[in-house]
Amino acid sequence: AQSVTQLDSQVPVFEEAPVELRCNYSSSVSVYLFWYVQYPNQGLQLLLKYLSGSTLVKGINGFEAEFNKSQTSFHLRKPSVHISDTAEYFCAVSEKGFQKLVFGTGTRLLVSP
Amino acid sequence: GAGVSQSPSNKVTEKGKDVELRCDPISGHTALYWYRQSLGQGLEFLIYFQGNSAPDKSGLPSDRFSAERTGGSVSTLTIQRTQQEDSAVYLCASSFGTGGDEKLFFGSGTQLSVL
Repeated sequence: AQSVTQLDSQVPVFEEAPVELRCNYSSSVSVYLFWYVQYPNQGLQLLLKYLSGSTLVKGINGFEAEFNKSQTSFHLRKPSVHISDTAEYFCAVSEKGFQKLVFGTGTRLLVSP
Repeated sequence: GAGVSQSPSNKVTEKGKDVELRCDPISGHTALYWYRQSLGQGLEFLIYFQGNSAPDKSGLPSDRFSAERTGGSVSTLTIQRTQQEDSAVYLCASSFGTGGDEKLFFGSGTQLSVL
């Protein structure tokens, strides 16, 4: 069965600094990978997803993530964060051909001036 | 409706009581999920429905939890004999696809508080 590890429960960063949120997954088969974001007092929404092809995927709000099969990672990055990026970010994985989506425990990104 | 609708938005109940949480998915979406979000626990998968197939119940934490989906649309999550550890936000999501590659649309959740 697939699983997701987000080692950082909280990442504090200053505005305009770069950020990387780490995600590692475990699966014995091919996977689809996702990042979802939950802004304060809002529902979860899709940030980006990797299905196949180019390992670098770009999402909304300037975020991007890179799929690394050998390291079973799918880290999320942004070169310059804004205060408005403060939110909880969830990495998720599903196994190809199966609908079940498994989420990590989330990383809270705190952007301060 | 335009999005996934969940009701009630907040539910306070006493330990030992039964509760029902409702989810109205986006029209036409064949897949429906229930997740539980607790502090420090992230999103915990509970159950998944896909069309007329048997649901994947592998995430239900105990036999006090059950869910059904009537007519391939509305779903109800029932928790019997609630316990304090059941307090959490219960999220429903739906999607159109069948292969695990589709975007999930989430509702705003039901905040359950068991006193």
